[in-house]
Amino acid sequence: GQNIDQPTEMTATEGAIVQINCTYQTSGFNGLFWYQQHAGEAPTFLSYNVLDGLEEKGRFSSFLSRSKGYSYLLLKELQMKDSASYLCAVRDSNYQLIWGAGTKLIIKP
Amino acid sequence: GAGVSQTPSNKVTEKGKYVELRCDPISGHTALYWYRQSLGQGPEFLIYFQGTGAADDSGLPNDRFFAVRPEGSVSTLKIQRTERGDSAVYLCASSFLDSNEQFFGPGTRLTVL
Repeated sequence: GQNIDQPTEMTATEGAIVQINCTYQTSGFNGLFWYQQHAGEAPTFLSYNVLDGLEEKGRFSSFLSRSKGYSYLLLKELQMKDSASYLCAVRDSNYQLIWGAGTKLIIKP
Repeated sequence: GAGVSQTPSNKVTEKGKYVELRCDPISGHTALYWYRQSLGQGPEFLIYFQGTGAADDSGLPNDRFFAVRPEGSVSTLKIQRTERGDSAVYLCASSFLDSNEQFFGPGTRLTVL
């Protein structure tokens, strides 16, 4: 079966750094995505990794290790507006996205 | 419009009724996706359109669910004989054909009583 695992909830402090992990087992791999979803809103695209390594985009970075079936999203200089759910998704052999349940990130002042 | 729009934003219906959910993608996006999302879960793939045709409908849970996109733009998701288990937020997303970024609409919250 296909499986995407990520922690249900994490708490961090404003101004700090947080790393959200994602492990996956899917039928085929055609890229890994991170999306942000604020409560009651639609997901918005954050990052895409298809090769091993780190992709940096401003305060957000995403890492991929295909051999380990592992990715993480790193958020730096946390702001209160970063409080949201972060969804990990893998594009499988059918080129469809398989989604994790999301990690709810709570930022405290 | 600037983004993906979905109507209605909320739909309450009774068990056994028929519902239609509409998605208006970003102009020029040939790829269109339907997902549904239950509380505390990630989106679940339902169907994918390339242009007018359903390129992949493997995520539709059963034959009560059907979707069309007759002119390659607006899409309608149709659910017959609704069941309480169909209650969820139905999300639509669109993208350029070979793009990695899907743009999501605000969703339709369907409640089946």
